[in-house]
Amino acid sequence: DSGVTQTPKHLITATGQRVTLRCSPRSGDLSVYWYQQSLDQGLQFLIQYYNGEERAKGNILERFSAQQFPDLHSELNLSSLELGDSALYFCASSVGGSGIPYNEQFFGPGTRLTVL
Amino acid sequence: GNSVTQMEGPVTLSEEAFLTINCTYTATGYPSLFWYVQYPGEGLQLLLKATKADDKGSNKGFEATYRKETTSFHLEKGSVQVSDSAVYFCALSAPRAGSYQLTFGKGTKLSVIP
Repeated sequence: DSGVTQTPKHLITATGQRVTLRCSPRSGDLSVYWYQQSLDQGLQFLIQYYNGEERAKGNILERFSAQQFPDLHSELNLSSLELGDSALYFCASSVGGSGIPYNEQFFGPGTRLTVL
Repeated sequence: GNSVTQMEGPVTLSEEAFLTINCTYTATGYPSLFWYVQYPGEGLQLLLKATKADDKGSNKGFEATYRKETTSFHLEKGSVQVSDSAVYFCALSAPRAGSYQLTFGKGTKLSVIP
C-alpha cells in the first residue's frame, strides 16, 4: 500500500460526458502528479501540482483540467469525453520541493475510465 | 525532449532463468533513472533507482547500473521467480523548474513459468 488513494476504482461513462477523478496523496506529500496509461500511448505525464499551484504540464488535452485543494487532495476533470480517453489514470505523490537530485513518486492504484 | 526506449515484450522465461530487459534513454542534463514494476491490477511500485552515473540500483535481486557513456539502464536478475511476473517500466526524471515528472518507456511484460 503506497498510501496514495484514488477514487473511483472504475468509471464507465458515455461520449460527451464529464467525469471527475479524485486523488489523496500520502500524508505529508505536497506534490501530486497525474499520468495517463493507454494501450497506444503508454504512460504519459499529464500535469503536476505542488502545494495548491500548478507546477508543470505535459500532454494534457484542453478538455482536461486539474486542481489541488487546500487539504492537498487533487481532482482531475475530464470533459467532452471521447472513446480515445478510455485509459487508466494514475496519480502519484511526492514530498515535492526543489534542489534535490530526485523526488520519489508513490503511485495510487489508478482509476480505470471506460468511455462507451 | 526526453525519451526512454525499452525492449518490448512479452518476455517469457522459465523459473530460475536469467533476466535482462534493455533500456536506453535520451535526456538533457543529468537525469535520475528508475525501474518501476506493475503487478496485475495494481499501481506502479518503484523497484530501484540510480541518481548519477555509475550508480547501481538494486532491490529484491534486481539490479541496474546507470551507464552515461551508453545512455543505458538495463535491468537484470540472476534467477527469476513466478512471482516476478509483471510489467516493468524504465523511467527517467530530469528535474526542471522544480518538477520531477517521469518519462516512461512503453513497458515490458514478463511472464515466468514454473
